[in-house]
Amino acid sequence: SQQGEEDPQALSIQEGENATMNCSYKTSINNLQWYRQNSGRGLVHLILIRSNEREKHSGRLRVTLDTSKKSSSLLITASRAADTASYFCATDAAGAQKLVFGQGTRLTINP
Amino acid sequence: DAGVTQSPTHLIKTRGQQVTLRCSPKSGHDTVSWYQQALGQGPQFIFQYYEEEERQRGNFPDRFSGHQFPNYSSELNVNALLLGDSALYLCASSSSGASWSQHFGDGTRLSIL
Repeated sequence: SQQGEEDPQALSIQEGENATMNCSYKTSINNLQWYRQNSGRGLVHLILIRSNEREKHSGRLRVTLDTSKKSSSLLITASRAADTASYFCATDAAGAQKLVFGQGTRLTINP
Repeated sequence: DAGVTQSPTHLIKTRGQQVTLRCSPKSGHDTVSWYQQALGQGPQFIFQYYEEEERQRGNFPDRFSGHQFPNYSSELNVNALLLGDSALYLCASSSSGASWSQHFGDGTRLSIL
């Protein structure tokens, strides 16, 4: 079963705007990661945030983590058409070898 | 430096048949995980192989089996295919002790008629 929910399920914005998507999870985690997937292809790793971190930046990406609420958000600033994709959060827990994914947010950037 | 490669890219089978999917891990990786991604859903963990043995398994029936070879490549076998097995099958590789850092292939799209 999925770890949790992603919100919204779909998001459509204009190029240049910021996009925010949220992820909630159910169990204690070691790390939370965000992946991008273009048109049913493989997953591309974007950013990882550890359970003892609250915020992390990478280029136009900003990730926050609130372990008390078991939630994370991904902000993409100054969106581009090439950012159109599905975005997934994935968590891993202590002693577990697997990644547990959310259901994803489908992001569309309109030119 | 080749990343994770999967073959074939697409496959069409009929109900009841058997299928084998293949994966070569990224250079330097010794652990392979398999995921099933139904349309519109997130990937779900099937199992992970390390040192040629299944190390962890998700909630999938015994029809799903796998193998890892001495060169770390892996196969996913599915028997008695059902319509519900139609999905994108993703392989991910990682280094032992760092299963959180998984590199994904482009997947095999399996369609069951």
